[in-house]
Amino acid sequence: EVQLVESGGGLVQPGGSLRLSCAASGFTFSTDYMHWVRQAPGKGLVWVSRIDGHGSSTSYADSVKGRFTISRGNAENTLYLQMNSLRVEDTAMYYCAKPISGTRNGLDIWGQGTMVTVFS
Amino acid sequence: QSVLTQPPSASGTPGQRVTISCSGSSSNIGSNTVNWYQQLPGTAPKLLIYSNSQRPSGVPDRFSGSKSGTSASLAISGLQSEDETDYYCAAWDDSLKGVVFGGGTKLTVL
Repeated sequence: EVQLVESGGGLVQPGGSLRLSCAASGFTFSTDYMHWVRQAPGKGLVWVSRIDGHGSSTSYADSVKGRFTISRGNAENTLYLQMNSLRVEDTAMYYCAKPISGTRNGLDIWGQGTMVTVFS
Repeated sequence: QSVLTQPPSASGTPGQRVTISCSGSSSNIGSNTVNWYQQLPGTAPKLLIYSNSQRPSGVPDRFSGSKSGTSASLAISGLQSEDETDYYCAAWDDSLKGVVFGGGTKLTVL
């Protein structure tokens, strides 16, 4: 079964850091682009970042550029999101997602999400 | 303010056909494919339509997608009560170099 399981969320003060992880199983992790998408409470979906299968090509939303870093450990089938200089507006459920075969951005496998709360 | 524009709400009666629009620009919908997601309350989004009009395995053929120019549409025929939830469009944006989502449409089945 193809599965993504996020972890690492929690409570943090503004300016703090968190590292999210997304454990993948059931597919060849190293060949797929992977994404992070977030959703603030009661709000819509917002794309955060994307990384290619090799980890050599990354993209970020302007709102997190320079503060967040996406990476992956293909040996351990894990996707990461290092979040630094956190702001109150970064409070959201963070999902990792995998594209459907043959696409880079049609996200058909999603994790259950991990909640990040930035409070002052 | 989302880069892709969706109506905040839509409605229909059981059995009816409803459409949800998604408007963008030449840098996103105009030059890339559109994906549609359905999100039930408290759950992760589900891919409903990818590459403008393709359905993933398991998605009923009541759901269909189309694209023309810088706009796209999701159509739901034979509306059912379980279709009452939120729907989002998304596409890659060549200028922003990232995925952009619509603000979401809440569908009500009357």
